[in-house]
Amino acid sequence: GAVVSQHPSWVICKSGTSVKIECRSLDFQATTMFWYRQFPKQSLMLMATSNEGSKATYEQGVEKDKFLINHASLTLSTLTVTSAHPEDSSFYICSARDPGPRYTFGSGTRLTVV
Amino acid sequence: ELKVEQNPLFLSMQEGKNYTIYCNYSTTSDRLYWYRQDPGKSLESLFVLLSNGAVKQEGRLMASLDTKARLSTLHITAAVHDLSATYFCAVAPLSGYALNFGKGTSLLVTP
Repeated sequence: GAVVSQHPSWVICKSGTSVKIECRSLDFQATTMFWYRQFPKQSLMLMATSNEGSKATYEQGVEKDKFLINHASLTLSTLTVTSAHPEDSSFYICSARDPGPRYTFGSGTRLTVV
Repeated sequence: ELKVEQNPLFLSMQEGKNYTIYCNYSTTSDRLYWYRQDPGKSLESLFVLLSNGAVKQEGRLMASLDTKARLSTLHITAAVHDLSATYFCAVAPLSGYALNFGKGTSLLVTP
């Protein structure tokens, strides 16, 4: 089946630094990928839709200058959390719709900002 | 705005019992997704329901979709401890658009 690879699985960074998270579709091309954030014991909240070769579409309330999304190829989307603060600590999950009707999710990235 | 409502949000049940989780959504859609999430993990796909009346079963779980009522159910039969997890339903307003998730049902199966 379709596989979406996400790295790193976890990262700890200092406040004020930037962190990049990669999301790759391994066996299919994904013109569109989705980035979600999940706080403990809550549901997934859509942050942005990443479109290959064009600008990402951000959900209301998500700072585009803080959460930089790049989708430079049909198999790779990256999310960069810039000037991270402790309140950015969360579980970040990417997703892509595979050639069938299924939405496949990456394994997630646990970000802790200290 | 598409809204997805799940109930119950918390469910504690004894092994061997049956129960149903409900998922209502607010706008027309002919495809609904069920996922399982274990603590600290990402989402595992359980079912993709693509049409009105669709019913799918895998082991002790069975999912159904009624697009006219905008309702999906996830039925658990003879629960076992391994089913303890959080279950999410999700709907996309249109094909290829991002999924909107319910709040999730935290299921605990006890001896």
